[in-house]
Amino acid sequence: ETGVTQSPTHLIKTRGQQVTLRCSSQSGHNTVSWYQQALGQGPQFIFQYYREEENGRGNFPPRFSGLQFPNYSSELNVNALELDDSALYLCASSLGGGLARTDTQYFGPGTRLTVL
Amino acid sequence: GENVEQHPSTLSVQEGDSAVIKCTYSDSASNYFPWYKQELGKGPQLIIDIRSNVGEKKDQRIAVTLNKTAKHFSLHITETQPEDSAVYFCAAKGTSYGKLTFGQGTILTVHP
Repeated sequence: ETGVTQSPTHLIKTRGQQVTLRCSSQSGHNTVSWYQQALGQGPQFIFQYYREEENGRGNFPPRFSGLQFPNYSSELNVNALELDDSALYLCASSLGGGLARTDTQYFGPGTRLTVL
Repeated sequence: GENVEQHPSTLSVQEGDSAVIKCTYSDSASNYFPWYKQELGKGPQLIIDIRSNVGEKKDQRIAVTLNKTAKHFSLHITETQPEDSAVYFCAAKGTSYGKLTFGQGTILTVHP
């Protein structure tokens, strides 16, 4: 177990709705990255948060947004859901910034989102 | 941007055989290359990683090799066991922030 937790485990929404997914990072980690994994594909980078600010973003539209809180937990928000948003959403925690920074990312179990 | 190609997409071996999965990357500035194992219904689990200043790394039955000139890296699993059956992903990270670019995955099946 990595110590990264995500909630909920599964979620079913209809097209046009909004969804919020949550992630708690591993103890001691200050950076959270979010990935989308479509069925049969590798994870695709959505964005990364470090010290409560977006630190980098992949090729996803603005309706994908996020937050990071002072305790380093994070939320992923998706507005105006589309059928293609159906996927496994993964968060990964790591230690960013300064000399202690590491590249290693530890993943949570994911949230399975189904959009009908 | 970075592009990572992974081969083969499926790999079937007998228990005790070796398995090799290969990846190529496009960005010569990439400096960190992890490998993840993903079992059904679970998130990716880091199994081994290598940095660009190292050519080879080994951890028990698992080893990774990196050829920076050719921009490819490989995962080697020896003495495979049925519990090694899973989807394996390679990934690469550039020098800026923490974005990992993943390959398409390899479904490894180890037959008893």
